[in-house]
Amino acid sequence: GQNIDQPTEMTATEGAIVQINCTYQTSGFNGLFWYQQHAGEAPTFLSYNVLDGLEEKGRFSSFLSRSKGYSYLLLKELQMKDSASYLCAVRVVSGGSYIPTFGRGTSLIVHP
Amino acid sequence: GAGVSQTPSNKVTEKGKYVELRCDPISGHTALYWYRQSLGQGPEFLIYFQGTGAADDSGLPNDRFFAVRPEGSVSTLKIQRTERGDSAVYLCASSFLTGGADTQYFGPGTRLTVL
Repeated sequence: GQNIDQPTEMTATEGAIVQINCTYQTSGFNGLFWYQQHAGEAPTFLSYNVLDGLEEKGRFSSFLSRSKGYSYLLLKELQMKDSASYLCAVRVVSGGSYIPTFGRGTSLIVHP
Repeated sequence: GAGVSQTPSNKVTEKGKYVELRCDPISGHTALYWYRQSLGQGPEFLIYFQGTGAADDSGLPNDRFFAVRPEGSVSTLKIQRTERGDSAVYLCASSFLTGGADTQYFGPGTRLTVL
């Protein structure tokens, strides 16, 4: 099976930068996704990495190292609305199926 | 355009009863996924469809759970003889493809409570 590990909770200050790490152990790796989920709402897509390196999208960036089984999500210029759970999801391919496995999420609290 | 919709938004039932949860994916999306999410956990994969067929149902916890997608669009997750441990938010997601940078769009979920 897949094993995905991310911190349970992080706190940060408005305007600051925060890095949320995700480590994984899997076979058949086929991409890593980051989702944002506000309390009581559905997850929304943030980023996708399948090759090593950094993907930048506005205030959010995501990094992947396949050899290390490691990714991080970087949030810049934090805003109060960024308080949410951030889910790391690894997709594997097995027998023609593409199955995503989610970590338990990192609850980010942004304070003034 | 319209996003993924799920009905009902909340369902309260008694232990032992049968429930059906419905998902309307985004029009044109061929892939449809069902997950369930418990408090403080990430979504747990249950089953996914590619078109009308169940491409992978390896996440269904037992044979009380079943899902269909007869016309390749709307899907129904069916749970027989519900147990208290089935209480969770059931999420549906759809995507245009199942590989590459396909983005899964999630519905708002159905909160199931089994008393």
